[in-house]
Amino acid sequence: AQSVTQPDIHITVSEGASLELRCNYSYGATPYLFWYVQSPGQGLQLLLKYFSGDTLVQGIKGFEAEFKRSQSSFNLRKPSVHWSDAAEYFCAVGAVSDTGFQKLVFGTGTRLLVSP
Amino acid sequence: EADIYQTPRYLVIGTGKKITLECSQTMGHDKMYWYQQDPGMELHLIHYSYGVNSTEKGDLSSESTVSRIRTEHFPLTLESARPSHTSQYLCASSEGQGWAEAFFGQGTRLTVV
Repeated sequence: AQSVTQPDIHITVSEGASLELRCNYSYGATPYLFWYVQSPGQGLQLLLKYFSGDTLVQGIKGFEAEFKRSQSSFNLRKPSVHWSDAAEYFCAVGAVSDTGFQKLVFGTGTRLLVSP
Repeated sequence: EADIYQTPRYLVIGTGKKITLECSQTMGHDKMYWYQQDPGMELHLIHYSYGVNSTEKGDLSSESTVSRIRTEHFPLTLESARPSHTSQYLCASSEGQGWAEAFFGQGTRLTVV
């Protein structure tokens, strides 16, 4: 079955420093991969997605992610973190249920804390 | 800006009560979903719908039920709430084809005492 692992439960980064959040997936075929962000008290918002083509994808708010098939990874990066980036970040992979329904399988999330 | 709304945002209710969590979207999306979210855990899909009069149970077994009488409305009901139902419930919707972007509501945080 498809699964997503986010090995870091929480990460603290200084404002202005670079950020990388790790995501590893388990999927037999070419995966459809997503990163969502959840700010406190809010629902999830899509940052970016990878379906095919260029393995480096650009998203909103200055985020990017790189798909590496050999490592089964889809790490999220940002060159300079802002205090407003403090949130929880979820990686997800597109999967198909036993009934043929296309759904998302989420990781457990990484909470990003930004220090002054 | 996502046009999907959940009410109430917070609910504290006693054991045994019947509750309905509301979810509405104005985007005309065919697919709608309910996820359960607990701290430190992945989001679990508990119900989904392809469209009107279509509802299915998701990966995580849930004692809740859902209905889809109108495209825009996808309420979740618990007939008899228990403390084990305490959680955050997130509603989402997406266009019908493929793995389209899912739009999420702000969630309902349910506490059963």
